[in-house]
Parts: sequence; C-alpha cells; structure tokens
Amino acid sequence: KNEVEQSPQNLTAQEGEFITINCSYSVGISALHWLQQHPGGGIVSLFMLSSGKKKHGRLIATINIQEKHSSLHITASHPRDSAVYICAVSRTPLVFGKGTRLSVIA
Amino acid sequence: KAGVTQTPRYLIKTRGQQVTLSCSPISGHRSVSWYQQTPGQGLQFLFEYFSETQRNKGNFPGRFSGRQFSNSRSEMNVSTLELGDSALYLCASSLTSSEQYFGPGTRLTVT
Repeated sequence: KNEVEQSPQNLTAQEGEFITINCSYSVGISALHWLQQHPGGGIVSLFMLSSGKKKHGRLIATINIQEKHSSLHITASHPRDSAVYICAVSRTPLVFGKGTRLSVIA
Repeated sequence: KAGVTQTPRYLIKTRGQQVTLSCSPISGHRSVSWYQQTPGQGLQFLFEYFSETQRNKGNFPGRFSGRQFSNSRSEMNVSTLELGDSALYLCASSLTSSEQYFGPGTRLTVT
C-alpha cells in the first residue's frame, strides 16, 4: 500500500462544477503539499498546510491531521484548471501520491 | 525574483552514454532536491543537497549521482544510461526542507 493515496485517479467535470480531490496518508507528517502539473511538465506548488484550511482564489485545501486526510476543492471550475493535481507529504523527503488527472470541459 | 531554472530542457541520449543535468535554485535558497517522474512510478525522490552536502538520498542505483556547488547550483549525473532512465527530471529549491519551488524540468529520452 502506498504511503499517500489519492482519489479519484481521473476526473472529468463540466465547467462551473465544484470539484473535490482527496488525499489520504498513512504516516506521520510535518506538512502536506498540493501541487499542480500542467501538460508540458512544470509543477506549481498550490498549498502547503499542516493544519486547518487555506484558500487561494477558487482553490481551497483542508487537512484533518487526526484522520490523516486532506482535500483540495476547486469552486466554479474552468477549462484552465485542467491539469494533474498531486498530493505530497513532508516526510524528509517528500513522498508523492500518484496524482489526479482533471479535465474540465467547457 | 527569478525562479528555479533547469538546463537543458530536453535531451536525447543513447543507451550506455552518460548525462549531466543542471539546476539553478532561487537566489538565497540553499537546499536543492532532485526528483524523477515517469508514467509508471510517478514522482520519486532522488537526492537532496544542502550547503554542498548530500542530506538525503532516495532508493536509486549508484549510477545516479549529484553535487552542489558553493553558489547552491546543483548538477545530477546519470552514467551508463538505460532505456528506463527516460523520464522528466525535476529539481526543487527551498529555504528549508518544507515549501519547495519546482523548476520546469529536463525531459530525458534514452534511445
């Protein structure tokens, strides 16, 4: 079993839909990261969080340390949100989930 | 402030050759980590350097090596290339070991 599990693996949504991507981990961590990777490879760090909730624009990330679970929400999704979203946990070094491929259709 | 830069962006090599990839971190960042991304395995940690010292190493064979210079720039080297080394190689820099800033990656194709 991987230390970091993401679901779903693939997700197709209509523009405007509310999207949730989940991440569960099985080990103790100091922080959890959400990353975005667009076709072409570049990775952007969206959030780093160790407790509670963070919001940036239409993106919201939450983490429940006791349940070892985090969610990434996208409100009012747009085709430009189409990307792979990767959850990673800080274990020195980072341990990554397999990613969730999101396609938002206009 | 300039981001993390990696050179070259694309590279094609033949089996048995060796390759050197370069990473320049964000100014002031002393930690540089390297990752390999393949369709089958996803992102995997290669190694981390801090102030010219290797601080952590992933589970990769000895053909994979790296170093960091006094200006924090880092290089990784892969010797005796195999077809399975074809991947996107990403480096990331950070002030601490927490929040990391990724470069655009070097896409290596081994034929």
